[in-house]
Amino acid sequence: GAVVSQHPSWVICKSGTSVKIECRSLDFQATTMFWYRQFPKQSLMLMATSNEGSKATYEQGVEKDKFLINHASLTLSTLTVTSAHPEDSSFYICSARRYRVDGYTFGSGTRLTVV
Amino acid sequence: AQSVTQLGSHVSVSEGALVLLRCNYSSSVPPYLFWYVQYPNQGLQLLLKYTSAATLVKGINGFEAEFKKSETSFHLTKPSAHMSDAAEYFCAVSDDDKIIFGKGTRLHILP
Repeated sequence: GAVVSQHPSWVICKSGTSVKIECRSLDFQATTMFWYRQFPKQSLMLMATSNEGSKATYEQGVEKDKFLINHASLTLSTLTVTSAHPEDSSFYICSARRYRVDGYTFGSGTRLTVV
Repeated sequence: AQSVTQLGSHVSVSEGALVLLRCNYSSSVPPYLFWYVQYPNQGLQLLLKYTSAATLVKGINGFEAEFKKSETSFHLTKPSAHMSDAAEYFCAVSDDDKIIFGKGTRLHILP
């Protein structure tokens, strides 16, 4: 079945630094990848949608300059949290999709803690 | 515009009892519907999906869901709950562009 690998699974960084999270589709080519943020005991909030080779589409209220998304190939998308602050601490999850009928395959998530 | 409503943020059932998690949706296009399960500090695992084929969909771990267009519902059921079913469950609807999640239902299994 479709597998999405997300790395790292957890990261602690100092306030003001940048952190990069990788999302890879291991056995399929993902035409579209999605990035979500999840606060404790809440649902997933879609941050942005990225299609390979084009700019990401950000949801309303998500700062594109803070959350940089790159989808350079059909198997890799990255999310970079720039100049991280404690309020950026959260659980970030990516998902990948080939075609709509295939559904969405999710990574295992990244726990980001900014101190 | 699409939306998903999950009734009940917490549901408790006894081990061996029927599990019923409710989901209602709204969609302007024929929907694709999903149920996902999430264990603590993990990503989402697909339980089952409806993509306009059979209205009764069977998934993993003994779960199934029935698509009822007249009721705009896609409730998740399992005949006999197991302790390992304790987790967060998300219903979701998708169009061509993205997937929208419900707020989730925490399933508690009582011994």
